[in-house]
Amino acid sequence: DVQLVESGGGLVQPGGSLRLSCAASGFNFNNFWMHWVRQLPGKGLEWISRINYDGTTSYAESVKGRFTISRDDAKNTLYLQMNSLRADDSGLYFCARGAMAGTWPAFDPWGQGTLVTVSS
Amino acid sequence: IQMTQSPSSLSASIGDRVIITCRASQRISTYLNWYQQKPGTAPKLLIYGSSSVQSGVPSRFSGSGSGTDFTLTINSLQPEDFATYYCQQSYSTPYTFGQGTKLEIK
Repeated sequence: DVQLVESGGGLVQPGGSLRLSCAASGFNFNNFWMHWVRQLPGKGLEWISRINYDGTTSYAESVKGRFTISRDDAKNTLYLQMNSLRADDSGLYFCARGAMAGTWPAFDPWGQGTLVTVSS
Repeated sequence: IQMTQSPSSLSASIGDRVIITCRASQRISTYLNWYQQKPGTAPKLLIYGSSSVQSGVPSRFSGSGSGTDFTLTINSLQPEDFATYYCQQSYSTPYTFGQGTKLEIK
């Protein structure tokens, strides 16, 4: 089965850092674009970052310069390094599989999410 | 690209037909996806490319539209369909989502 499992969330003080991980299994990880999406408490979904299979990255303006997406294809793992965290970064962070060459750019599947709380 | 869904919430009964609309602030061809999210769970892809039903999704779900205006139709509502639905454009980054439509039991 295709599976994504996030980890690394937790409580951090404003200005602090966290690194999220997303372990992938059941598919050829290195062939797919991967994404991070977050959901603020009681709110909708916000796409925050993408990494292509060639390592090209893209970010939402709200996190550009503070967050860094990366991948380790040997470990089938996606990462999100989050620095200079703010209270409004608090929420549930999902990783999601994106497209591979020749397939439609939709997000499927998603991990179960990891909760990030930024508070003093 | 801004995505605007309507309505924001909707009450319906088992067996009803429901239509949710999504409008993009600029033309996105058919780069429009629909997701279903139930409380405490991750979103699930229902429809991609505006009208293609994801494998395993019941045939009562359908999508249509191109350019700026899109619809998600659910025929013969079932108890498990009560959830929040999101549209998303995958035409260009940032891959924006609509604000969601919460479908509740009447």
